[in-house]
Amino acid sequence: NAGVTQTPKFQVLKTGQSMTLQCAQDMNHNSMYWYRQDPGMGLRLIYYSASEGTTDKGEVPNGYNVSRLNKREFSLRLESAAPSQTSVYFCASSGEGDSGYEQYFGPGTRLTVT
Amino acid sequence: GEDVEQSLFLSVREGDSSVINCTYTDSSSTYLYWYKQEPGAGLQLLTYIFSNMDMKQDQRLTVLLNKKDKHLSLRIADTQTGDSAIYFCAESLSGYSTLTFGKGTMLLVSP
Repeated sequence: NAGVTQTPKFQVLKTGQSMTLQCAQDMNHNSMYWYRQDPGMGLRLIYYSASEGTTDKGEVPNGYNVSRLNKREFSLRLESAAPSQTSVYFCASSGEGDSGYEQYFGPGTRLTVT
Repeated sequence: GEDVEQSLFLSVREGDSSVINCTYTDSSSTYLYWYKQEPGAGLQLLTYIFSNMDMKQDQRLTVLLNKKDKHLSLRIADTQTGDSAIYFCAESLSGYSTLTFGKGTMLLVSP
């Protein structure tokens, strides 16, 4: 079990460039999430997908799009990157564990937009 | 709306107990979580408690929940230097809903 995997680990973009962050989970979880983490801000939810075929906006969705490709994969796209999108991006998935619902995180993608 | 508050910093000596506190505003919260984040890494799920419980113990970790005061704490017994990290408290309204995180408490353990 790899858990939640993310690619790439690091990325530098110029303002206006686009890119897609990839995420996959092998725990057969229905729900998947994208968060961003900025210093002093904790984690903020960008988008989530409660099940295959559905996506919903979180707290900070502007400038992002998502695709739930199948049950395993949930991608995050930046169409026209801006310096304000410099952040660490975490993907997560959740499902029922031994004693309740558990949410697991990937290792993160560190994105810098210049 | 939902809000989760944590103190920003805690410093302890190796071998002491650490207590990290968290308050939340939504009385409908069903699950309350603690995550650990080491430098440059993702978030590691440490433990969580269901809202019908007052306490949960898991090896060196003890979680206490006071629903009346909407207060959650994480106690780490015999704190080690490897426990130095940022600890996040998070709440969820149900198993399927999204998590709301606090801003994290940086725990520094000195030898």
